[in-house]
Amino acid sequence: EAGVAQSPRYKIIEKRQSVAFWCNPISGHATLYWYQQILGQGPKLLIQFQNNGVVDDSQLPKDRFSAERLKGVDSTLKIQPAKLEDSAVYLCASSLVSDYQVETQYFGPGTRLLVL
Amino acid sequence: AQSVTQPDIHITVSEGASLELRCNYSYGATPYLFWYVQSPGQGLQLLLKYFSGDTLVQGIKGFEAEFKRSQSSFNLRKPSVHWSDAAEYFCAVGATAGNQFYFGTGTSLTVIP
Repeated sequence: EAGVAQSPRYKIIEKRQSVAFWCNPISGHATLYWYQQILGQGPKLLIQFQNNGVVDDSQLPKDRFSAERLKGVDSTLKIQPAKLEDSAVYLCASSLVSDYQVETQYFGPGTRLLVL
Repeated sequence: AQSVTQPDIHITVSEGASLELRCNYSYGATPYLFWYVQSPGQGLQLLLKYFSGDTLVQGIKGFEAEFKRSQSSFNLRKPSVHWSDAAEYFCAVGATAGNQFYFGTGTSLTVIP
């Protein structure tokens, strides 16, 4: 079974530029998550989708970050314009839909972003 | 509020020695607990999880963890560490509301020959 796919793996941009990350979840996983992991910290949830709807985007800096999952499968996370503090690893995860219990989240390899 | 504490930022062990990584959680209901490992330049790989039942759970790569409700802990152990175990280890608690995971800040493991 294929895992969560992400691209690109690495990206270097200058501040005020824009960047986009792509994620394809495990087949059949209706729930998709984007996390930001700053060096030395644990992952922090940015946005959670179930199918093509947003479940939680309370920690997404909406003035510069946007995300979409138009067809309920793959997803794109965009930053525009980027700031120095956006340098981090952006992780995508997916899971089955959870009804009454917690479902395991499976992670992709991440995209490492460096903003200069 | 849900939270996870990993008290040890960095641990160094000799190859072949035993290992214990500490994790304490705060969660109001029955916790769903996870340990993930992150090798350099990689994403998070699931080591093991606890949902219910036997409080000692076995995972991949020879790891195990013990859930102790009285201590709000879920410590990760391995009897004999291999050099390939050098990585960052994250403990997480999953909330049933929205399936949101709360991660600790991680413990970095160095293995010396």
